Amino acid sequence: DAGVIQSPRHEVTEMGQEVTLRCKPISGHDYLFWYRQTMMRGLELLIYFNNNVPIDDSGMPEDRFSAKMPNASFSTLKIQPSEPRDSAVYFCASRKDRGTYNEQFFGPGTRLTVL
Amino acid sequence: GENVEQHPSTLSVQEGDSAVIKCTYSDSASNYFPWYKQELGKGSQLIIDIRSNVGEKKDQRIAVTLNKTAKHFSLHITETQPEDSAVYFCAASVNDYKLSFGAGTTVTVRA
Repeated sequence: DAGVIQSPRHEVTEMGQEVTLRCKPISGHDYLFWYRQTMMRGLELLIYFNNNVPIDDSGMPEDRFSAKMPNASFSTLKIQPSEPRDSAVYFCASRKDRGTYNEQFFGPGTRLTVL
Repeated sequence: GENVEQHPSTLSVQEGDSAVIKCTYSDSASNYFPWYKQELGKGSQLIIDIRSNVGEKKDQRIAVTLNKTAKHFSLHITETQPEDSAVYFCAASVNDYKLSFGAGTTVTVRA
């Protein structure tokens, strides 16, 4: 398996622009997570889906952030409009519910820079 | 919500020595404690985990201990090697899928 795939790997944009981050989970996994990593706040959970349904979005910082999962093999995290404080590395992770063995598999991340 | 604190933030050890990272958590209901390793430019990878019904778990050179009464858990790496250099994150969870992570420890193994 190719693992969790994220695109783009790097994104540089200007303040006010729309940014869309993409994630392809591991095939067969039923949970998908979006995280944000910054020096100040570490690794934070933004939102997670179970069977394509958003379960908990309490970590989404504000209405400028939105996430969708139209099918089991694709998810997007959108920021509109983007701000410099959104600069961070965004990770996607997926997991399969196997009862007691529940490892989350992380993608390589998207490094976002908002100028 | 759960609050996880992790210490130290950086750790430099001589190759062959041991490394210890400590974490504390706030929610006594937490029952799942994974440790992730993040190498430069890569996503985090699970290296070991422990559940609250177990006090210690070992996998080759890596071990984790859990003290539920004190609400702290630790990662021990013995006989460190250069490939152990990475950022390590501890996490705690009540339901084992909504993880709360510590701030991370950057481990450098000096040759």
